[in-house]
Order: sequence, then C-alpha cells, then structure tokens
Amino acid sequence: QQQVKQSPQSLIVQKGGISIINCAYENTAFDYFPWYQQFPGKGPALLIAIRPDVSEKKEGRFTISFNKSAKQFSLHIMDSQPGDSATYFCAASKGGYNKLIFGAGTRLAVHP
Amino acid sequence: GAGVSQSPRYKVAKRGQDVALRCDPISGHVSLFWYQQALGQGPEFLTYFQNEAQLDKSGLPSDRFFAERPEGSVSTLKIQRTQQEDSAVYLCASSLAEAIRETQYFGPGTRLLVL
Repeated sequence: QQQVKQSPQSLIVQKGGISIINCAYENTAFDYFPWYQQFPGKGPALLIAIRPDVSEKKEGRFTISFNKSAKQFSLHIMDSQPGDSATYFCAASKGGYNKLIFGAGTRLAVHP
Repeated sequence: GAGVSQSPRYKVAKRGQDVALRCDPISGHVSLFWYQQALGQGPEFLTYFQNEAQLDKSGLPSDRFFAERPEGSVSTLKIQRTQQEDSAVYLCASSLAEAIRETQYFGPGTRLLVL
C-alpha cells in the first residue's frame, strides 16, 4: 500500500528551466509535507516543507504548491542548475513524533 | 557542528551472519529514527526512539531485526541471520525533539550487501 505516490520517476531539464515533481497522498490525517534532496552516497536532507493550511511556500528557487482538496502537492525548482541534479523525495507525516512516509523518489538531471 | 554519523559505511555479510550497524545522532537530539532504503526506492520507516525508549518498532520487517539505544544517545541496529533481501542502505536520522515538524537530520547511511 503506497501512501505517497510520486511522479515522474526521472526528469531531465535544461539549465535555467523549471523542474516540477508531483506527489499525491491518500491519508487525510497527514499534516506535514516535507521534500528531501539526496545526493549519491549521502543521506536525504530537508529542502522545504509545508503544512496543509498553506497553499504555497517559497524558499529561494524552491516552491511547494499544496492542493488539499485534491490531496496533491508539488515541488517547483525555478532556474534549475546542474548542481540541483539529485534525487528528490516527497514525504508526509501525521501527529505524534513525525514518522515520515516517503515517496519513491524522482531522479532529476539538469543538463548545462 | 557534527552531523549524524553512521558506521560502518559499507558492510558485506554472508547470508546467515549477524551484523550490527551504529548510529551517532547529533548531540542532544531526543528523537532517533531508523529507515531502510532499497535501491532506487524511498526510505521506509523501521523504528523510533525517544531518548532510550523505543516507542515504535512497527516497521521492523521481522524478529531478526533488533534496535537499541540504551543511554539515549548512540543507537545500534542489529540484524540476525542476514538474508539477501536485507541488502539495502540503512539510514539513521535524529531530531531535536519529538514534536511533529521537527527537522530530521539524516546520516550518510550504511550500505549492507548480503551475499
């Protein structure tokens, strides 16, 4: 049972373009939605996170859009750079101690 | 400051061997999580500690998996009688408190290969 579905599996974007990664969730009790970035050989690192009472959050070139009624959220990377090439994971958690449920990941390649 | 460290970084085990994976969380962090990440997949929750108390072990795949954090700091994940399906990266994460939305800081992981 996949509680958080992520797409696409892989993405190729030209330098300066916009990268968009989508996630959908099933459990309406989820109330915290972080995005993590992972480079090869490293652990995931928090990129940006949103709560369901907010429809959009922006931090630098990274924006989360959240659609509560559709149970979907997405990550937009503006002005994508080769250094953004990594695997991105969406996640969700509910209540308590923040046990994260991750999506399957999107491998992003930004070509110069 | 120092982040979460894990050792060993790589471990090769023969099927049937026992292995022990160590996690050193960020100093002062109350919460500690273990996740398993299969190749090409997202991390999957294994277990959670609040200080020395193991409050959730619902993600441990079988009774061959055991985790402890006896003094509320360093944690060890032990896998007994390893099987090939145990091959994965084991990630440890810590956070300052147990509240939701506290950032989890991940270590680099231990890559386990069971032959």
